[in-house]
Amino acid sequence: DAGVIQSPRHEVTEMGQEVTLRCKPISGHNSLFWYRQTMMRGLELLIYFNNNVPIDDSGMPEDRFSAKMPNASFSTLKIQPSEPRDSAVYFCASSDRVLNTEAFFGQGTRLTVV
Amino acid sequence: DAKTTQPNSMESNEEEPVHLPCNHSTISGTDYIHWYRQLPSQGPEYVIHGLTSNVNNRMASLAIAEDRKSSTLILHRATLRDAAVYYCILRDLRNTGNQFYFGTGTSLTVIP
Repeated sequence: DAGVIQSPRHEVTEMGQEVTLRCKPISGHNSLFWYRQTMMRGLELLIYFNNNVPIDDSGMPEDRFSAKMPNASFSTLKIQPSEPRDSAVYFCASSDRVLNTEAFFGQGTRLTVV
Repeated sequence: DAKTTQPNSMESNEEEPVHLPCNHSTISGTDYIHWYRQLPSQGPEYVIHGLTSNVNNRMASLAIAEDRKSSTLILHRATLRDAAVYYCILRDLRNTGNQFYFGTGTSLTVIP
């Protein structure tokens, strides 16, 4: 397996634009996590899916952020409208909860909002 | 969720053993202790996890206190490639929510 795949790796956008980040989890994994990392706040859990269903979205900053998982092999994190304070590295991770093992992280998407 | 406490930073000489401590005094009986590390410009990667007994794998060893209120990640011979931020995390996988939260971690510097 190629691991967790995130796209794009880098995104630069203007304030007010819509941004969509994409994640393909490892095949067979049934848990998916979105994290955001900044120097000030470290790694923050934004949302967690289990079997494609959002279980905990308490970390989503505000209504400008939304996440979907239409099927087991794809998830998106959307920011609309984007703001400069959204600039961060966004990580997606997946794990097989049934097997009680580790989570695998993607390489991240570095988002810059100017 | 139960919290963990780690030193902000540590240094080690190359090829020396490193002991990275973690306190988790409010750990519950179903919390697993996980360690992840994050190399520069990469996503976090799994290192090791355990419940009650000490654990060994090819990357490291995990020593868990008898009362489970603390644990220590042991790198037997530090290399320059081990320079990273190490996170100690509690994860309850027996309940519906198996999400896990990262603290500030320990930044390990390896001195050649």
